[in-house]
Amino acid sequence: GAVVSQHPSWVICKSGTSVKIECRSLDFQATTMFWYRQFPKQSLMLMATSNEGSKATYEQGVEKDKFLINHASLTLSTLTVTSAHPEDSSFYICSAPDSGTNTGELFFGEGSRLTVL
Amino acid sequence: GENVEQHPSTLSVQEGDSAVIKCTYSDSASNYFPWYKQELGKRPQLIIDIRSNVGEKKDQRIAVTLNKTAKHFSLHITETQPEDSAVYFCAAVATGANNLFFGTGTRLTVIP
Repeated sequence: GAVVSQHPSWVICKSGTSVKIECRSLDFQATTMFWYRQFPKQSLMLMATSNEGSKATYEQGVEKDKFLINHASLTLSTLTVTSAHPEDSSFYICSAPDSGTNTGELFFGEGSRLTVL
Repeated sequence: GENVEQHPSTLSVQEGDSAVIKCTYSDSASNYFPWYKQELGKRPQLIIDIRSNVGEKKDQRIAVTLNKTAKHFSLHITETQPEDSAVYFCAAVATGANNLFFGTGTRLTVIP
């Protein structure tokens, strides 16, 4: 199946700094990518939909200035957590559908565990 | 929009027994229903999926059933093994919508 690679898998940063997480589709083109946040023992919460060549669509309650999303190409989307604070500590996961097949199946990245000190 | 509910939130079974997880959805336009298994700290892995043109699908010890009229679908795991222990998520999506709507998850524990 299609492969989505996410980097870094874990990061520790100081409060007030910014952290960038990358999500790449390795063997397919993804015009759309999704970013989720997952708290311990909870489900995946959709944060935003990243669209190649246009602005991301944010879910209600998600601060667009806090979580900057850029979909630079058909294989790369980035999520930048700006001025991170301890409450931003979480597991962030990206996913992408294969635009070429449009089966509905989503392919997930490995996830990135962010810890803000 | 779509609303997916999942029950139970936790499930413990003895090794060798069966486990059943149930989900309901609200949007009649949804026509693709995947199930994901997520181990601690890892990405969700697709284990089985079903489309609305069939009522049941089976893959070895795993099966999924779909009742479109009642808008519910279920995951069945038979002959459970300790390595089946994980969190399972159901999801639903309509063709063209792309984004999956996830259930709240079920933490399955298989007791050896």
